[in-house]
Amino acid sequence: DAGVIQSPRHEVTEMGQEVTLRCKPISGHNSLFWYRQTMMRGLELLIYFNNNVPIDDSGMPEDRFSAKMPNASFSTLKIQPSEPRDSAVYFCASGQQGGNEKLFFGSGTQLSVL
Amino acid sequence: SQQGEEDPQALSIQEGENATMNCSYKTSINNLQWYRQNSGRGLVHLILIRSNEREKHSGRLRVTLDTSKKSSSLLITASRAADTASYFCATDAMNDKIIFGKGTRLHILP
Repeated sequence: DAGVIQSPRHEVTEMGQEVTLRCKPISGHNSLFWYRQTMMRGLELLIYFNNNVPIDDSGMPEDRFSAKMPNASFSTLKIQPSEPRDSAVYFCASGQQGGNEKLFFGSGTQLSVL
Repeated sequence: SQQGEEDPQALSIQEGENATMNCSYKTSINNLQWYRQNSGRGLVHLILIRSNEREKHSGRLRVTLDTSKKSSSLLITASRAADTASYFCATDAMNDKIIFGKGTRLHILP
């Protein structure tokens, strides 16, 4: 298994542009989590899905952030419009709900908004 | 909001010594997990302890859980240079949310 796959690995964009981050979870996993990591705030849970359904999006900072999971093998996190304070590393993680929820993380997307 | 808080924030020890990191949390949990993160990488799961367990071992790792104090500790015995990393505790809150603390940065000195 290739593990959780995130793309792009790095993204540099200008303020106001739309950014789309992508995640392919491990096959057979039915939960998917998006986290954001910064030095100041640590790892923040943005949103998570169970069986492709968003369960809790209370961590999404603003309406500029949206996430979708159209099927079990793909999820996107979109920021529109992006701002410099969105600069962070964004991680996707998947797990097997009911399996004590051990999470497997992708390598992350390093986002820089100029 | 943060559920778990690790301490210390940073720890430097000599190779061969034991490293102990602590985690405190706020609400009732089903289980508590510890993860490791090397610089520039994603987190890697180390060990999970259920709320009805008090201690668990995995190789050089020993985890304890005290639900009455809402705290856990991670002990790494006979530390090696390769153990240099950040270590995070994670708790599952309501609705299977998994929340991480801010981590302990461990540096093993040669």
